[in-house]
Amino acid sequence: EIVLTQSPATLSLSPGERATLSCRASQSVRSYLAWYQQKPGQAPRLLIYDASNRATGIPARFSGSGSGTDFTLTISSLEPEDFAVYYCQQRSDWPRITFGQGTRLEIK
Amino acid sequence: QVQLVESGGGVVQPGRSLRLSCGASGITFSSYGIHWVRQAPGKGLEWVAVISYDGNNKYYADSVKGRFTISRDNSKNTLYLQMNSLRAEDTAVYYCAKDRDIAAAAYYFDYWGQGTLVTVSS
Repeated sequence: EIVLTQSPATLSLSPGERATLSCRASQSVRSYLAWYQQKPGQAPRLLIYDASNRATGIPARFSGSGSGTDFTLTISSLEPEDFAVYYCQQRSDWPRITFGQGTRLEIK
Repeated sequence: QVQLVESGGGVVQPGRSLRLSCGASGITFSSYGIHWVRQAPGKGLEWVAVISYDGNNKYYADSVKGRFTISRDNSKNTLYLQMNSLRAEDTAVYYCAKDRDIAAAAYYFDYWGQGTLVTVSS
């Protein structure tokens, strides 16, 4: 099983700041990585797939990068609605799909 | 717009069974693979199972293999998850989620239901 490790566990920032979230895979997942945002009481929302492709309707302030084992989700300038939990997910080893443990992005 | 609506959750004793349903609208249901993903209270996401667009291919997480069965009825735009031999560790919100790609499964989930809570407790 491919283990995805996200860091940091919690990130405290202010609106307008830049957020950088990391996801590291225990072995190469090539570019087969997605990012999701989840707010309390809601289902996750797909943000990024194949490491760097924004999903439909996702604002341009969200961007993804990386390949192999190291990936980054960047939010260029935080809006109040961006404070949430973010998960990475790999599909390289399908059907053994795995998610990271999540990064909580909180208001400082 | 795309809507996925889960139902069938509830409280069940260990060892018993439960069947979840997921009704879809706003998509050509028969063109997409559909997944079940679960989330234990206060925990992260765990992929559970997938069924191909035509129902011919099914895959399961090791944690549920042999106990859970995924199925679909394309004439009713409905997905099912039959859960047998339930354990305390199956307690979670169960989401159905649409695969991003048409026909061939991409294993990315672009639309999700609101989830249904399954609690396994005596």
